[in-house]
Amino acid sequence: EPEVTQTPSHQVTQMGQEVILRCVPISNHLYFYWYRQILGQKVEFLVSFYNNEISEKSEIFDDQFSVERPDGSNFTLKIRSTKLEDSAMYFCASSFRAGVLDGYTFGSGTRLTVV
Amino acid sequence: AQTVTQSQPEMSVQEAETVTLSCTYDTSESDYYLFWYKQPPSRQMILVIRQEAYKQQNATENRFSVNFQKAAKSFSLKISDSQLGDAAMYFCAYRSGDAGNMLTFGGGTRLMVKP
Repeated sequence: EPEVTQTPSHQVTQMGQEVILRCVPISNHLYFYWYRQILGQKVEFLVSFYNNEISEKSEIFDDQFSVERPDGSNFTLKIRSTKLEDSAMYFCASSFRAGVLDGYTFGSGTRLTVV
Repeated sequence: AQTVTQSQPEMSVQEAETVTLSCTYDTSESDYYLFWYKQPPSRQMILVIRQEAYKQQNATENRFSVNFQKAAKSFSLKISDSQLGDAAMYFCAYRSGDAGNMLTFGGGTRLMVKP
């Protein structure tokens, strides 16, 4: 069964450093998403991406965050200058349509630890 | 804004028994979609079942079924004949039918299955 692949599974970074989280969505999917889950809290929506542009973003997704689909297969989330509170599990997801009929396929997540 | 509440942080069930996980949500919309996702330890979230709000019939997928009460804004998940492999974190999620394709998640219920 097709999977959404996220790398790395765990990343540790120094506060203030830039970090890029990588995702390979399912090949024929058109919609891409990032969610995060701070330990002990709810899974929160960050951003959705369609047709090479952001279609929707939450209040969390401020200027420190950016997304890119650099080569038609990868989908990346960049955090420019990480803060301690960015420590969380980051989930990538994709869907063929807008997630209604076929749902969303999630990756296993990248655990980001900012020290 | 929509909110999703799962009032049971943890549940346990004996193998082969039936368990019901609760989910309530708050919305002013009439058109929306509800999902249950399962997240085994260190694994990605997997779609368990989906319900369209305009459908009165409760969704069923093998041993999984929902009790969708639109007026009460309740969407519980029933797992029949529980198996050890059902042990996981279960998330209830809401998606608007009109405004965007982001998912709003509940806080999750950890299900333990006793042999």
